[in-house]
Amino acid sequence: AQSVTQLDSQVPVFEEAPVELRCNYSSSVSVYLFWYVQYPNQGLQLLLKYLSGSTLVKSINGFEAEFNKSQTSFHLRKPSVHISDTAEYFCAVSDHGTASKLTFGTGTRLQVTL
Amino acid sequence: GAVVSQHPSRVICKSGTSVKIECRSLDFQATTMFWYRQFPKQSLMLMATSNEGSKATYEQGVEKDKFLINHASLTLSTLTVTSAHPEDSSFYICSARGDRGQGRDEQFFGPGTRLTVL
Repeated sequence: AQSVTQLDSQVPVFEEAPVELRCNYSSSVSVYLFWYVQYPNQGLQLLLKYLSGSTLVKSINGFEAEFNKSQTSFHLRKPSVHISDTAEYFCAVSDHGTASKLTFGTGTRLQVTL
Repeated sequence: GAVVSQHPSRVICKSGTSVKIECRSLDFQATTMFWYRQFPKQSLMLMATSNEGSKATYEQGVEKDKFLINHASLTLSTLTVTSAHPEDSSFYICSARGDRGQGRDEQFFGPGTRLTVL
């Protein structure tokens, strides 16, 4: 069985400040890790994923996440956030890639203000 | 591309009635669709996986006779909540997966349906 823990339900941050959204997972097998973002009234969108190779993965809009096997973590970071980054962020894990069953965390609401 | 829609976005019904939720892949053919449920302050929980033309596979603890899933075409899956009760009130989200040949070998999510049972 797998589980995902997102300790922070809400993260308020000022625009242009750095942010880190924490994600820890538990699994007895090798995993694939994902971050999804959900903007208001929209479906979840894949932000970035770790399948294999480099442990640091990046999205096109400046987010990055690093897979840390020893700490079983996949924290999401951005050095400078924008108002438009305000959304709900979900960390997820799978043992067979994005096409298969995903186990989600409870989500973190990122609120960016001026 | 890779848009998934859900209808309705919000529904309120009386206890004992049945409610049907539609999930459509608008610009690709979905070989597999997934149905999730999300309670307030909780994570998305997978309810079932459906493949076009075959019976859905339900997760442990999900009543297949209560949550009827039909995946009759490559662009449409429906979830029917039969004899709904207040404890079925939740946010229902579907996702659709295409195939590798279409470059759609990942899950694309719909915007969700808020079900409230009075």
